[in-house]
Amino acid sequence: DIQMTQSPSSLSASIGDRVTITCQASQDINNYLNWYQQKPGKAPKLLIYDVSNLETGVPSRFSGSGSGTEFTFTITSLQPEDLATYYCQQYDNLPPYTFGQGTKVEIK
Amino acid sequence: EVQLVESGGGLVQPGGSLRLSCATSGFTFDDYAMHWVRQVPGKGLEWVSSISWKSGSMDYVDSVRGRFTISRDNAKNSLYLQMDRLRAEDTAFYYCAKDRIVGVTTGGFDSWGQGILVIVSS
Repeated sequence: DIQMTQSPSSLSASIGDRVTITCQASQDINNYLNWYQQKPGKAPKLLIYDVSNLETGVPSRFSGSGSGTEFTFTITSLQPEDLATYYCQQYDNLPPYTFGQGTKVEIK
Repeated sequence: EVQLVESGGGLVQPGGSLRLSCATSGFTFDDYAMHWVRQVPGKGLEWVSSISWKSGSMDYVDSVRGRFTISRDNAKNSLYLQMDRLRAEDTAFYYCAKDRIVGVTTGGFDSWGQGILVIVSS
């Protein structure tokens, strides 16, 4: 199975800060990489699919990049409503579709 | 508006069974693969099972294979998860999720239900 290693596990940043989360796959996942946001007590929400494509309605301060086994998720200017846990997820080829362990983003 | 609503969760003893349902609306259900994803309270996400749009293909995470069965009723726009021989480690919130692309199973989940809690305990 493909393992996804996400870092950091948590971070604290101020409003307006740039926030970066990394996700490393245990093998090449051919850019089949999504990012989800999960706010406290809510279901996850798809933000970015196929590494860098914003889901409809997602603010442009969110972005994704990377290739092969190394991927990055960025919030260019952190907003109060971005308090959440963020997960990467790979869906290369066959199941299981595996998630990173999550990054909890807190506001200073 | 796409809506997914899970039901059927609750408390069950180890070794018991539960059947989760997911009622859907707002999209052409039989055009999309569907999935179940679970989350132990306070922990991360784990994909559990997928079913293709025509029910021709089902997949499971190793830890539930042989115990859980995914199915769908396209006439009722509903997804199901039959969970047998439940274990304490199956305790989690269970989410149904819609695949992102028509006609294929991509493993990308673009709409989610609110989740339903399953507790396996004596």
